[in-house]
Amino acid sequence: GENVEQHPSTLSVQEGDSAVIKCTYSDSASNYFPWYKQELGKRPQLIIDIRSNVGEKKDQRIAVTLNKTAKHFSLHITETQPEDSAVYFCAASSTGGFKTIFGAGTRLFVKA
Amino acid sequence: DAGVIQSPRHEVTEMGQEVTLRCKPISGHDYLFWYRQTMMRGLELLIYFNNNVPIDDSGMPEDRFSAKMPNASFSTLKIQPSEPRDSAVYFCASSPVGGPYEQYFGPGTRLTVT
Repeated sequence: GENVEQHPSTLSVQEGDSAVIKCTYSDSASNYFPWYKQELGKRPQLIIDIRSNVGEKKDQRIAVTLNKTAKHFSLHITETQPEDSAVYFCAASSTGGFKTIFGAGTRLFVKA
Repeated sequence: DAGVIQSPRHEVTEMGQEVTLRCKPISGHDYLFWYRQTMMRGLELLIYFNNNVPIDDSGMPEDRFSAKMPNASFSTLKIQPSEPRDSAVYFCASSPVGGPYEQYFGPGTRLTVT
């Protein structure tokens, strides 16, 4: 069945450093790849997304890259700040069914 | 818009009892999703609806779980009978038509089954 693998499960960085989270997906029909941030005790919220017709998208300190051939996509956070500390989820879905498969999540710690 | 509304926010019940979780999606959204989140299993899709019709319920763990969407503004997730292993945070999310697009999550219901 469909699967999304996410690495690493935990990531600790110093404030100001960059953080990279990587995901792979199995369903070749996937064409929408959102990233959600979940702060402790809160709901997941979208921070950035990318569609299969684009290889890269950037929004201020956050960027996402997509390699459809390799079925890889990654989240890049530059100049990390303590408020970036949260759990980040990647996900993949397709137009055919809208079923969204989430990765297991990455717990990011940004040390001040 | 108030966003996705879920009730109750917290539920504590005893094993064997029936539990009903409620969700009101964002007005105009045609897709509604139910997720379960635990430390061990992460965020799992249980079932999703399109225009009030269940499309994929392959994530529903077993027959004790059932979900309905009687109209565009209301959905329920029922567990009967409940078991301690059902303890989790249950999220409802909705999404507009024409996507796939961002899913807007509700605040979640924290269920504890003792």
